[in-house]
Amino acid sequence: QQQVKQSPQSLIVQKGGISIINCAYENTAFDYFPWYQQFPGKGPALLIAIRPDVSEKKEGRFTISFNKSAKQFSLHIMDSQPGDSATYFCAASPGTYKYIFGTGTRLKVLA
Amino acid sequence: DGGITQSPKYLFRKEGQNVTLSCEQNLNHDAMYWYRQDPGQGLRLIYYSQIVNDFQKGDIAEGYSVSREKKESFPLTVTSAQKNPTAFYLCASTSTGFGELFFGEGSRLTVL
Repeated sequence: QQQVKQSPQSLIVQKGGISIINCAYENTAFDYFPWYQQFPGKGPALLIAIRPDVSEKKEGRFTISFNKSAKQFSLHIMDSQPGDSATYFCAASPGTYKYIFGTGTRLKVLA
Repeated sequence: DGGITQSPKYLFRKEGQNVTLSCEQNLNHDAMYWYRQDPGQGLRLIYYSQIVNDFQKGDIAEGYSVSREKKESFPLTVTSAQKNPTAFYLCASTSTGFGELFFGEGSRLTVL
């Protein structure tokens, strides 16, 4: 119930293409869903986050789509660039100082 | 600049030795966390602390110990009881417990 399942494990996209990473959860108490971006040898940094009262949030080329009934959320990266090559983690939190992370997706954008 | 400072960045340890990883934050955050990162396994919670002088075990606390004597500091000791300590360790903090987690740059521990 505390798991967040993330897919795919790795993803290769051509420059200019759309990258899509999916996450699913079971605990309906989760009410905060962030995505983190991590470059090799660095700590993760918050990319974008959403709360369940909205179905979509967009920041620049990054969009979170949230489906509360299906208990799924996804990250879409439009016009993917080589600089987007990184590992992406989804996470979920019930707001009690606990954060559950997905297993990560390694994205490579080909030039 | 406000942020989280982890040290050392790289650490080598012989089997049977305890090592302590430092984490300092100047963000005035109440809550601090330690995560372990292994390839393909995401971030797994070791310990977290919501306030000074209090901390809770996470999912993989065995073989680790922490202290929280100051708001700014949350050191992690990897003891000889930890069977497979080679990993990338990340410290994080948050002000609210239901918002953004801020991460340090990580410490990579290798057991020789």
